[in-house]
Amino acid sequence: DGGITQSPKYLFRKEGQNVTLSCEQNLNHDAMYWYRQDPGQGLRLIYYSQIVNDFQKGDIAEGYSVSREKKESFPLTVTSAQKNPTAFYLCASSIGGANYGYTFGSGTRLTVV
Amino acid sequence: QKEVEQDPGPLSVPEGAIVSLNCTYSNSAFQYFMWYRQYSRKGPELLMYTYSSGNKEDGRFTAQVDKSSKYISLFIRDSQPSDSATYLCAMTGVLGSSNTGKLIFGQGTTLQVKP
Repeated sequence: DGGITQSPKYLFRKEGQNVTLSCEQNLNHDAMYWYRQDPGQGLRLIYYSQIVNDFQKGDIAEGYSVSREKKESFPLTVTSAQKNPTAFYLCASSIGGANYGYTFGSGTRLTVV
Repeated sequence: QKEVEQDPGPLSVPEGAIVSLNCTYSNSAFQYFMWYRQYSRKGPELLMYTYSSGNKEDGRFTAQVDKSSKYISLFIRDSQPSDSATYLCAMTGVLGSSNTGKLIFGQGTTLQVKP
């Protein structure tokens, strides 16, 4: 079945550590997105990529980094510069643009310990 | 002012009630409108999709778009406990307009349907 796989489902980070969240899709979608979800704040866009080897900052990119070396993969690194990383992270993909909506992964819950 | 406004609720209704969820928006270039349903600790799933103005019905769900008022709605008839979730509205514009390639989401409304 086609879909988006996010891993791990739960992730714990110590202060000062960088961690990488995985996002893989087998839908042959061109565009991929990373969102952060906090209670009462909806979805906030971190980074997005509309084509391999190209990506753009979203509304809250500070403290995060991404790469898009393959069409299927769009990993997100949460760096030590992100001061409040505890959140639910969602990866999504779309055929091209957003006119037909996104397909979302099941999310990664990141907690700072 | 946010581009898309959605009452976060929470909204609590008895089983069998008609539920109305709403979003307002400010960008007249928006043409594609969606509703996503998100269960706790899961990713959102696309529930309804509408292009431009009008109504769309799918089973117990009806989506309405009023572009003149910049207002969209989702109605749930005969609500069930399994409808308990967060509902997010989302929208985007035509090619060449602002926000092309990105969905703009509302904050989400949390709905609880009590048996």
